[in-house]
Parts: sequence; structure tokens; C-alpha cells
Amino acid sequence: SQTIHQWPATLVQPVGSPLSLECTVEGTSNPNLYWYRQAAGRGLQLLFYSVGIGQISSEVPQNLSASRPQDRQFILSSKKLLLSDSGFYLCAWRLGGPEQFFGPGTRLTVL
Amino acid sequence: GNSVTQMEGPVTLSEEAFLTINCTYTATGYPSLFWYVQYPGEGLQLLLKATKADDKGSNKGFEATYRKETTSFHLEKGSVQVSDSAVYFCALPGKRNTDKLIFGTGTRLQVFP
Repeated sequence: SQTIHQWPATLVQPVGSPLSLECTVEGTSNPNLYWYRQAAGRGLQLLFYSVGIGQISSEVPQNLSASRPQDRQFILSSKKLLLSDSGFYLCAWRLGGPEQFFGPGTRLTVL
Repeated sequence: GNSVTQMEGPVTLSEEAFLTINCTYTATGYPSLFWYVQYPGEGLQLLLKATKADDKGSNKGFEATYRKETTSFHLEKGSVQVSDSAVYFCALPGKRNTDKLIFGTGTRLQVFP
């Protein structure tokens, strides 16, 4: 069966510091991968998605970037965090059907 | 493009009460429809789905029927429990890009003993 991991689970970073969040999927090959952000009390915002290694689509202009160095690895990065980057970051995968399957999330607090 | 509208929350109920969370959609054709649930501090879980008109999706006592006449996919449960307290999201694929899911804004359910 497929599983999806995200780490770290929680992160507290100062403004202006870099960021790297990692997502990996096990038990499947060539999935679509997604990064979402959920601000406190808000809905889901799609940030990036990828249909294959090195292929990244950006949905929202911002100071975040994404990379897919391996088939089942998806990384969210920033060179300098802003206060507004605080939130709950969710990774998801899909293969075949339209439904997506989500990871446990990373809680990021920027101070 | 495709879109989905959910009722505003929070929905506050006593244990064993009947639950309805409304979801209506706008779509070309008859795409699959989904309900996701997010428990506090966790990621989203696929709760149920329906792949064609008149289908009923069900899981954990929750049900939703794909109604093309009213373009609705309301979530129902006959008797809620405190453990059902969560945020519920209705979703459907994008029109132009079925690689994406379009999510509703989410409805928070609070169940009290």
C-alpha cells in the first residue's frame, strides 16, 4: 500500500531564514505530487504541483519554490521566510484517478 | 471552470443528532465528487466519493448522493459522535486541468456530548 511522509512535523523559524520541507511517497511510481498551504482557519491553497521529475507548475506567485529531484520526493523551499509564510503545509499525491491522498502536514511558524 | 460551494460553518450539534453539510457544484459534464475530512492537527483524509450521477458514496456512517438535478452532493450522517468533530471539505476535479482538485472552503463541525 502507499504511504506519504512529511517532515518535519513542526517547525519554528525566524523571519528571513531559509526553509526546506520534504515529502516522500512510498509504494507507487510516477505519481502527481502537490504542495498546499492552509493558513489558520482558512481553506486550502494549491502552491505547486508536479507531474514528473523536474516538472513543476506554480500556482501562486510568492517567495516559495518547489523541486522534484526524484520520482517520489517533493521539496518545498524558501530562501527567506516571511511572517505570512506561517501555516500548515500539506503534501499530496495522486495516480490514475482524480482523488488525491494527503500527508500528515508540517506546521510552520515564522517569528 | 468547475467550482464548489459549501455551507458556512461552524456547525454545532449534540451527540446523536442528524448532520447535513450542504455542497453544491458547477461543472461541465459529470465529474467525480469527493468529501474529505480533516481532524485537528492532521492532513485531509478521503472520506467518500461518487463517480457518476445518482451514485451514493458512504463510509463511517456518512453518506452523500450525487444529484445532477440539483447539482448537489450533501454530506449526511444519521447520528454524529464527538469523534466526528472535524473540518469537512467538498471537492471535484478542475475543468481544464483534471490534475487539480477544486476544494470548497471547508465546514467545521463541532459535536458536544
